[in-house]
Amino acid sequence: KAGVTQTPRYLIKTRGQQVTLSCSPISGHRSVSWYQQTPGQGLQFLFEYFSETQRNKGNFPGRFSGRQFSNSRSEMNVSTLELGDSALYLCASSSPPGYTDTQYFGPGTRLTVL
Amino acid sequence: QQQVKQSPQSLIVQKGGISIINCAYENTAFDYFPWYQQFPGKGPALLIAIRPDVSEKKEGRFTISFNKSAKQFSLHIMDSQPGDSATYFCAASMWTGGAGSYQLTFGKGTKLSVIP
Repeated sequence: KAGVTQTPRYLIKTRGQQVTLSCSPISGHRSVSWYQQTPGQGLQFLFEYFSETQRNKGNFPGRFSGRQFSNSRSEMNVSTLELGDSALYLCASSSPPGYTDTQYFGPGTRLTVL
Repeated sequence: QQQVKQSPQSLIVQKGGISIINCAYENTAFDYFPWYQQFPGKGPALLIAIRPDVSEKKEGRFTISFNKSAKQFSLHIMDSQPGDSATYFCAASMWTGGAGSYQLTFGKGTKLSVIP
């Protein structure tokens, strides 16, 4: 079975731009969570989607948004990028939905904001 | 407010030694405590996990010790090997009834270096 895939792997943007990151979960997994990883703050939960609905949301500003499609693929969007948004963005999928002991992470998208 | 505190930030251990990483939590609603291992360029991978109804869980060279009254848990890596060099994250999870799902809160990580 293929693992969680994330595209692109690396991205460089400038302040004020917006960015869209993509995540394809493991086949059959319907829950997708997104995390931001930085050296200072560690791993922080962004949001979780299940059946195209956002079920849970972390403490991030509204510039961070996401969505999930009917095939469980998910995208997250960050608008009006700030320097502090530079981070590794990780996607994780799980099955049964929401059971963290079966949560699998992708390799992440490294976003650099200049 | 950091809900899961992890120490140390970095750890250097000789090959064959025991690596010990500690975590403490505040919220008694947490009911699942996993440890993740992350290698450079990779996402975190679940290593071992424990629920609060047991005090210890062992899988190969990896052991979690759990102290519910002290709200602390730790990871012990026996016979540490250079291949164990990675960043380790403890986490705690609780059921968010309103959302109908679990939510993971991570510690800030420990960078382990095992030297030959």
